[in-house]
Amino acid sequence: DAGVIQSPRHEVTEMGQEVTLRCKPISGHDYLFWYRQTMMRGLELLIYFNNNVPIDDSGMPEDRFSAKMPNASFSTLKIQPSEPRDSAVYFCASSFRRSGNTIYFGEGSWLTVV
Amino acid sequence: DAKTTQPPSMDCAEGRAANLPCNHSTISGNEYVYWYRQIHSQGPQYIIHGLKNNETNEMASLIITEDRKSSTLILPHATLRDTAVYYCIVRAGSSNTGKLIFGQGTTLQVKP
Repeated sequence: DAGVIQSPRHEVTEMGQEVTLRCKPISGHDYLFWYRQTMMRGLELLIYFNNNVPIDDSGMPEDRFSAKMPNASFSTLKIQPSEPRDSAVYFCASSFRRSGNTIYFGEGSWLTVV
Repeated sequence: DAKTTQPPSMDCAEGRAANLPCNHSTISGNEYVYWYRQIHSQGPQYIIHGLKNNETNEMASLIITEDRKSSTLILPHATLRDTAVYYCIVRAGSSNTGKLIFGQGTTLQVKP
């Protein structure tokens, strides 16, 4: 089975530009998570969804960040406008409650804002 | 969610057992202990989890003390590919629906 698929794997963008990160969770999973990892702050949970509905977005840093899940097989994390301090690795993860709810991570999207 | 405490780093000789400790003295009755690892530049990888009883799978064993205030992850025969950051996480919520909140983890260096 394919794991969690994220795109792009690497992105370099200029400050002020809009960035959209994409995630395809494992088929059948009903939870989706977005994490961010930096050297300074480690792995932080930004937001998570259950059955496409946002459950907890308390980790979203500010209004420049938004996340959507229009259907069970796709989610986006958008940063507009981007700033250099947004440079990080962004991980998407998914889980299925009825099989123990183990969370599986994608390989991450490496974002550099210059 | 309960907080966990792990040593920042550990070394282990290749082929020997690696025992990674974790303290979670404020754990509640319905909170599970999860272990993940992160190999450089990759996404975190699930290893094992447990509630009260010791658990074993093809990757590792998890030993939870009777009072559940601490646990140990055991990699029985460490290899160089086991070099990674290991995270011990306490996860709350009925049916394990709580968030995974990562700490700083233990950097395990397996040496030849």
